[in-house]
Amino acid sequence: KQEVTQIPAALSVPEGENLVLNCSFTDSAIYNLQWFRQDPGKGLTSLLLIQSSQREQTSGRLNASLDKSSGRSTLYIAASQPGDSATYLCAMRDANAGKSTFGDGTTLTVKP
Amino acid sequence: GAGVSQSPSNKVTEKGKDVELRCDPISGHTALYWYRQSLGQGLEFLIYFQGNSAPDKSGLPSDRFSAERTGGSVSTLTIQRTQQEDSAVYLCASSALAGGTFTDTQYFGPGTRLTVL
Repeated sequence: KQEVTQIPAALSVPEGENLVLNCSFTDSAIYNLQWFRQDPGKGLTSLLLIQSSQREQTSGRLNASLDKSSGRSTLYIAASQPGDSATYLCAMRDANAGKSTFGDGTTLTVKP
Repeated sequence: GAGVSQSPSNKVTEKGKDVELRCDPISGHTALYWYRQSLGQGLEFLIYFQGNSAPDKSGLPSDRFSAERTGGSVSTLTIQRTQQEDSAVYLCASSALAGGTFTDTQYFGPGTRLTVL
């Protein structure tokens, strides 16, 4: 059974700082990994998707990496802004079942 | 449509009543997923559809929960004889399948907040 852990559970940084969010998983037989952000009371917004065969993806100030051998993924946010404040979730897609297993998220606060 | 839509956005019901939650996926998306998010807990998978069939129902918590999808589009999640522990946000997502593989991005709807009194 896939287990996904996100550390830290909460993070507070001053505006402008670069930061890294961590995601670890127990079963490396994944099909892809997806990072989402969730604003309070809202649904999930997709940020980046990394296929199993890929090592990283970049979109603007965001960079996500995937290391299946160590069971880890990181989301790097450059030059953080107050608008980046949200909960960030990683999800592993199970190729056999199609479902995703989510971590509990990291709640990020960027202070002006 | 432009995105995944869900209705109602909020539903308050009394214990023991049945409820129906609706999901309209992105047009053309063949895969549809239901998840729920309980207060203080993470996202929990419920069921996944490929077209109108459900290859994976493993996440449905009890036989009070059922879901169907018609015409490869709209899906309805039904909860019978609701209990207070069913209170949660129910999220729907859809994705396109490329060549029968699960490579594509899941796009989520805004969710339905269910409160069982």
